[in-house]
Amino acid sequence: GAGVSQSPRYKVAKRGQDVALRCDPISGHVSLFWYQQALGQGPEFLTYFQNEAQLDKSGLPSDRFFAERPEGSVSTLKIQRTQQEDSAVYLCASSLRGGDRGRKNIQYFGAGTRLSVL
Amino acid sequence: KQEVTQIPAALSVPEGENLVLNCSFTDSAIYNLQWFRQDPGKGLTSLLLIQSSQREQTSGRLNASLDKSSGRSTLYIAASQPGDSATYLCAVRGTDKLIFGTGTRLQVFP
Repeated sequence: GAGVSQSPRYKVAKRGQDVALRCDPISGHVSLFWYQQALGQGPEFLTYFQNEAQLDKSGLPSDRFFAERPEGSVSTLKIQRTQQEDSAVYLCASSLRGGDRGRKNIQYFGAGTRLSVL
Repeated sequence: KQEVTQIPAALSVPEGENLVLNCSFTDSAIYNLQWFRQDPGKGLTSLLLIQSSQREQTSGRLNASLDKSSGRSTLYIAASQPGDSATYLCAVRGTDKLIFGTGTRLQVFP
């Protein structure tokens, strides 16, 4: 597609429910990132993939958060047993290359998924 | 640990003014710095990317400068318009991830 696509746009979950958020990066982009944005704050890094390899997951806040990109394109961020503090906008970004050359690339962001946990 | 600060947090100006938004970062070992625009309920739109070896980038009415040694960047908006109203975020790239500031919320009124 022309840009990064995320679904669903909005998700309301009851506390304790599991959720799955999907990201379709720009076709051919090697690098994929997930960020979490709380209300009134800047996005914060969660995890990074280069193709199907998850190279950095240092930002995942707990073991309830899990991300995968099994075929090196579409990625899913899964949150188990959601808590109220998980309420945020989850942003996905992709960039063309990986590795050292990729660090010079622009990251293109999707519109995000707004998760509300009641 | 890299920290990014943006001032002012909010700005309200009449149409036509020239604006300067500031971004500072604590660790000068960065690959690049990127300025984004975020409209309410929307994702981030990349405005300008300045590589660590560059001093500035321009796009239309926008000009961004980078002084890596002092840990500062400015985004200059010329002849502001109501359509420029949004939150502006700067982000630095140290390795792979971006580290963001908390943004400047800009309102331009007619």
